[in-house]
Amino acid sequence: AQKITQTQPGMFVQEKEAVTLDCTYDTSDQSYGLFWYKQPSSGEMIFLIYQGSYDEQNATEGRYSLNFQKARKSANLVISASQLGDSAMYFCAMREGRGYGGSQGNLIFGKGTKLSVKP
Amino acid sequence: NAGVTQTPKFRVLKTGQSMTLLCAQDMNHEYMYWYRQDPGMGLRLIHYSVGEGTTAKGEVPDGYNVSRLKKQNFLLGLESAAPSQTSVYFCASAPRWRGSSYEQYFGPGTRLTVT
Repeated sequence: AQKITQTQPGMFVQEKEAVTLDCTYDTSDQSYGLFWYKQPSSGEMIFLIYQGSYDEQNATEGRYSLNFQKARKSANLVISASQLGDSAMYFCAMREGRGYGGSQGNLIFGKGTKLSVKP
Repeated sequence: NAGVTQTPKFRVLKTGQSMTLLCAQDMNHEYMYWYRQDPGMGLRLIHYSVGEGTTAKGEVPDGYNVSRLKKQNFLLGLESAAPSQTSVYFCASAPRWRGSSYEQYFGPGTRLTVT
């Protein structure tokens, strides 16, 4: 069964420094997608970045990058130059399968990591 | 373009009462989802729909029912609320697979307390 593990319940980082949030996954499917969402204290879920299992390069979106190590089944989120506004919960999620159909498109979420950025 | 909206934003119920949460999306998405979020648990899928008139069970469906009579709306019903259903409920929608990143778009959430 597919599973997402985020082992860091909470993390602190100094403003302007980089931080890595860990995510490991378990799946028997060869085709899958990995997502990171941010949830600030206001509660909304904000999509950050996506990595497909067949993508050869690590995904990047502005200050966010995804360190994808397929053999180790890890998909760590790297935030460069942390800002106070980065303080939030961060969720890693996985979708199995090439497309939606039945349960193939459903996301499985990890329990999240609470990031606090110190000034 | 409002995206995904949820009604209501907050609600307090007494045990045994019923209610319906409404989710609406204006992006013409085929797929819609209901999640619940509990402290330390992440998001868990309750029910989902892959198209108008179709629904399916997710990870934690017990105590909930859903309906998708119109493509843009996805309703979540609690027939007899229990304190264990105190949670934050999120609705999400997504387009049919486009062969690339297709994240789910989330609504703002509904905070439900059952006393």
